[in-house]
Parts: sequence; C-alpha cells; structure tokens
Amino acid sequence: QSVLTQPPSASGTPGQRVTISCSGSSSNIGSHTIDWYQQLPGTAPKLLIYNNNQRPSGVPDRFSASKSGTSASLAISGLQSEVEANYYCAAWDDSLIGYVFGTGTEVTVL
Amino acid sequence: QLQLQESGPGLVKPSETLSLTCTVSGGSISSNTYYWGWIRQPPGRGLEWIGSIYDSGNTYCHPSLKSRVTISVDTSKNQFSLYLTSVTAADTAVYYCARGGRGLVSWGQGTLVTVSS
Repeated sequence: QSVLTQPPSASGTPGQRVTISCSGSSSNIGSHTIDWYQQLPGTAPKLLIYNNNQRPSGVPDRFSASKSGTSASLAISGLQSEVEANYYCAAWDDSLIGYVFGTGTEVTVL
Repeated sequence: QLQLQESGPGLVKPSETLSLTCTVSGGSISSNTYYWGWIRQPPGRGLEWIGSIYDSGNTYCHPSLKSRVTISVDTSKNQFSLYLTSVTAADTAVYYCARGGRGLVSWGQGTLVTVSS
C-alpha cells in the first residue's frame, strides 16, 4: 500500500485542462520535494517534474505542478491524445527511509 | 546521451535469487552527482521503488524488501546490480534501473522477470 494517494483515473476532452492530486503526510510531501513521472503505454516511466514544479529539458510547459503542505498536484493543459498515460507522484519518506511512488492515475482523453 | 540497459534471466525459480545488471553507457557510473536505483512494476500495477546506491556506497532499500535485497556497483564495468533472494511469485515484475539526481532522471527500458517453476 503506497503512502501517497492519487485518484485512479482522470479524464477530459481535447483542449481541456485536467488536474491530478497526490496526498501524502508530513513524513513525505510535507518534508521533501515531490517528483512526477509519466508512463506511456508499454514504455518506461519518464521524469516529468522534479523539485515540486521544475520541468526537465524537453518537457512541454503544458505540464505544471504545485505543492502545498502535505499535498501536491499536477496539471495538464491543452489535452491531446498523446498525453494519455499513467502519472505517478513520488517523494522521499522519512518514516520508510525510502523513496515512495503514488498509486498512479490513468489519464484518458475522451 | 546517457543510456541504461537491464540484463539478466527472464525466468527465476521460486526460492532462488534474482540477479539483474544495469549497464550504463554515455556517462560514468562513478559520478558523485548522481545515484543509481532499481524500481519494479508488477504486471498491471504501479511502480515500486526497490532501492538506491550512492557514490559513498550507502544503500537504501524498501523496508519490505530490505532483508532480501543487495545493490552493488562495479565501476570497472560501469554497471550496477540487483540481487533479490528467496523470490516468490509476488516478485514477478518488470524491473527498471535508473539514474537519480533531481528525481529519477534516466531509466532503462525495463526487463520482465517471471518467478515460476
């Protein structure tokens, strides 16, 4: 059971904006920066966001993220079919003394 | 450009040891800027961090796997390895190696390991 909770699914129509939440606790999100990963079908995960809201080179600005207290969120704007994937939040956890992934959210473009 | 490639047996018998190697190309594994890690994903399920090793030699492993996991680095071969003992069917998963820095920046393509007799 992951200590980072995400909704199992999220969806929107082309062009819309969708937001994914990630709920944690004081031992993970509340104390450490959060990362987000995108996993397209049949591929390895890809780092999408690091340090709460920073995009690695090459990640389009349609992806944005924020953190507040023990929760975080990822927003995807201008939905297109190419962003259909599973999205995972992740952070270091002081209680587990390890890196934890969220439960994952499958994004669908209707 | 940095590339990582997992290798090892695709089939392991129950109670035996799973051994995987990650070969790093396009960069040195000896860099103290980064750390190296293993992540797995059971079929149809989410990601699970297994453990990481740092340039200091320190390793951190998932508490539920700690007693069975060893992660090591071979700088002469630019490789790092995962050993998971006493495997069961629950260890069947795609195993990924990755380079960590600010997040897990680079990933291998993953390799499916099935535990079955």
